[in-house]
Amino acid sequence: DQQVKQNSPSLSVQEGRISILNCDYTNSMFDYFLWYKKYPAEGPTFLISISSIKDKNEDGRFTVFLNKSAKHLSLHIVPSQPGDSAVYFCAALPGTYKYIFGTGTRLKVLA
Amino acid sequence: DAMVIQNPRYQVTQFGKPVTLSCSQTLNHNVMYWYQQKSSQAPKLLFHYYDKDFNNEADTPDNFQSRRPNTSFCFLDIRSPGLGDAAMYLCATSRGGTQETQYFGPGTRLLVL
Repeated sequence: DQQVKQNSPSLSVQEGRISILNCDYTNSMFDYFLWYKKYPAEGPTFLISISSIKDKNEDGRFTVFLNKSAKHLSLHIVPSQPGDSAVYFCAALPGTYKYIFGTGTRLKVLA
Repeated sequence: DAMVIQNPRYQVTQFGKPVTLSCSQTLNHNVMYWYQQKSSQAPKLLFHYYDKDFNNEADTPDNFQSRRPNTSFCFLDIRSPGLGDAAMYLCATSRGGTQETQYFGPGTRLLVL
């Protein structure tokens, strides 16, 4: 039973446009969420996080939005660049040290 | 550069032949994790160490064991690999506080023949 869901396996976006990656979770007790980016042959690298006490966190071109009532978060990348092409994982931290990951969304930014 | 290192990057073993995967870190982090990731699936936490305290996930098969002889190193032992254990194995670390990020190694891809 998947507690963190990324329902879009892949997404293609033109360079310079906005990329929106979505993530849904099932447990309203989850209180911390992270996004990781993964290039081929590398491990995931941390991108941005958000605590449940916030509804938005921004870091440069990357913004994460959290909608607690809908149990939904999204990652916005503006403007998208070809170097952003990677697999993006959403993760939730329901308790200390127990990270739960989604299945990932493969983003392709077209030049 | 401080980092998480996994060796080997690719490991081929035979059905039933014990295999050990290695992870080391130069971050001096308290917590080390092992994940299993199969194709198109989410990374699945197998277990973690906080310092020397071992924490096994409830659904981790007994076939999987781990050792952490010191802060820097952590090993994943698969006692009798089956075909279903072929996967990417990811090691990660974190400092040990709450609401932290994890730092991942590049992973070891295990093939079972």
